[in-house]
Amino acid sequence: QQQVKQSPQSLIVQKGGISIINCAYENTAFDYFPWYQQFPGKGPALLIAIRPDVSEKKEGRFTISFNKSAKQFSLHIMDSQPGDSATYFCAASTNSGAGSYQLTFGKGTKLSVIP
Amino acid sequence: NAGVTQTPKFQVLKTGQSMTLQCAQDMNHNSMYWYRQDPGMGLRLIYYSASEGTTDKGEVPNGYNVSRLNKREFSLRLESAAPSQTSVYFCASRQQVFSNQPQHFGDGTRLSIL
Repeated sequence: QQQVKQSPQSLIVQKGGISIINCAYENTAFDYFPWYQQFPGKGPALLIAIRPDVSEKKEGRFTISFNKSAKQFSLHIMDSQPGDSATYFCAASTNSGAGSYQLTFGKGTKLSVIP
Repeated sequence: NAGVTQTPKFQVLKTGQSMTLQCAQDMNHNSMYWYRQDPGMGLRLIYYSASEGTTDKGEVPNGYNVSRLNKREFSLRLESAAPSQTSVYFCASRQQVFSNQPQHFGDGTRLSIL
């Protein structure tokens, strides 16, 4: 079974601080690594995504760092704001082999940003 | 532009009852997906439809059936509901089935089975 392991399960950060969420994967065929943001009562929404041919991707305050050799990737939220309080899911997918075309999700991290 | 619309938003069933969850997208997407979300478990794929006329099992298909009615609509049916199927169900769509395409999610159906 393909797995994406996500940590921590929950995270509390002061306003203005840096939030870091980590994910690790096993399947070396994964070739797309998106992060989704989910607010209570809503469906997940794509936040940012990376392909394994780059080591970092930045969009505003959100950055994905990718370490192909370690099979790990992480989401960094700079200058965290109370409006960033949500559940974040990492995911991975591949176009080949078992489970192709499917997104495999981590179990989620509930982020709370306190004023 | 509504995106992905799921109905109903909430439902309570008794064990053994059947029901169909509806999903429709207006983005002309080819691929559609059904997930369930349980506390501490993330999202798990139940079934998906890569294109109109095809459906495939995901990680947790047991106890469910699906129908891709047309390009817009993808329904999920529980034939005999069990308490273990209490969950939040999300439908998603994607332009194409290929992995680098983002999935767009509806706001979910919250289903409780007593």
